[in-house]
Amino acid sequence: NAGVTQTPKFQVLKTGQSMTLQCAQDMNHNSMYWYRQDPGMGLRLIYYSASEGTTDKGEVPNGYNVSRLNKREFSLRLESAAPSQTSVYFCASSEAPAGEHTDTQYFGPGTRLTVL
Amino acid sequence: QKEVEQNSGPLSVPEGAIASLNCTYSDRGSQSFFWYRQYSGKSPELIMFIYSNGDKEDGRFTAQLNKASQYVSLLIRDSQPSDSATYLCAVKGNNRLAFGKGNQVVVIP
Repeated sequence: NAGVTQTPKFQVLKTGQSMTLQCAQDMNHNSMYWYRQDPGMGLRLIYYSASEGTTDKGEVPNGYNVSRLNKREFSLRLESAAPSQTSVYFCASSEAPAGEHTDTQYFGPGTRLTVL
Repeated sequence: QKEVEQNSGPLSVPEGAIASLNCTYSDRGSQSFFWYRQYSGKSPELIMFIYSNGDKEDGRFTAQLNKASQYVSLLIRDSQPSDSATYLCAVKGNNRLAFGKGNQVVVIP
């Protein structure tokens, strides 16, 4: 099992360019999440999907869109990248639907994005 | 008040000593509490979770939860150089995890 995979590992964009970060999990998990991690800010939730076909905003959704393509895949799109979106992006998945008592999340390796 | 607060680090401990990390949270309705370890340049990995008041032990790690005082702590016994990492406290509430900023631990051989 690969667990949670993310592509690409690194990306450099110019301001205004668009891109999609891909995430896939092979653990048959119901819930998937996108976070960003910035120095001094900790992990912040961008969007999550409690189950296939549903998505919800997290703490910092502005400038992003997501698609839960199927149970395995959850993509994050930046339509018009800005320097403030320079960050490390982590995808995570968990077995329980959001709201269950235990909700252990497993993280992918991350994507380091720089917007110039 | 931030949702999840971890006291600022870094924490330096000699090899073999006990490292103690604390975390406080603001939402009294929080149900589950997690400790993740993150090595530099890597993704967070789960150490343990706890959801009942009291202590929970897993190997050299002990999590302690006090819901009345709204804090959760992590003890690392017999600290090893491989324990040098950033430790993230996470609290489950409102269908999502809220993370603290993390505490860096440096184990000195």
